[in-house]
Amino acid sequence: AQKITQTQPGMFVQEKEAVTLDCTYDTSDPSYGLFWYKQPSSGEMIFLIYQGSYDQQNATEGRYSLNFQKARKSANLVISASQLGDSAMYFCAMREGQGDYKLSFGAGTTVTVRA
Amino acid sequence: DSGVTQTPKHLITATGQRVTLRCSPRSGDLSVYWYQQSLDQGLQFLIQYYNGEERAKGNILERFSAQQFPDLHSELNLSSLELGDSALYFCASSARTGIYNEQFFGPGTRLTVL
Repeated sequence: AQKITQTQPGMFVQEKEAVTLDCTYDTSDPSYGLFWYKQPSSGEMIFLIYQGSYDQQNATEGRYSLNFQKARKSANLVISASQLGDSAMYFCAMREGQGDYKLSFGAGTTVTVRA
Repeated sequence: DSGVTQTPKHLITATGQRVTLRCSPRSGDLSVYWYQQSLDQGLQFLIQYYNGEERAKGNILERFSAQQFPDLHSELNLSSLELGDSALYFCASSARTGIYNEQFFGPGTRLTVL
């Protein structure tokens, strides 16, 4: 079964606007971590934000915030005030508490910011 | 710059050949992970080492092997290469194992098998 689902293959957003990237996950483990990574066209993977399953508040890092809805098993990334440099592929990933702690990635969402 | 280094950046080789990809983790990080990113399979976990010992295996082919050396750098060996092995191979490191430690990725090695 797919552990991470990203249903939006591609999105366009106007510069300075906010964009929400959807991510749903599937796990029966009570302990897990959710991560978002950015992959620009140059190929490197850049860590953006982390949310733990026991965290009471939604994580925020600068213009990035994570809308964590545990009951719905969703961990959407919100990018505020989009910039041209935000154009990239964005991956949602999960690490579960039992086992090998590997990251399981979604298929990714391509974001294109328009001027 | 994540602090994780990978060499080479690009590698072009022929089917049937063997290659070695190298990774140096961030200073102090004991855990190294290898991932493969391909168009058809997406990002997949291959193998993890922690302080020199293999900790977990994912979708790693028998033709592939890895090791982590005493200085904590790691190598991924790919042999009897096939066209389908063409992919971007990432190494990531984290300070410890556990769900609360984010992994920092290297720039990747792009392997092209012709």
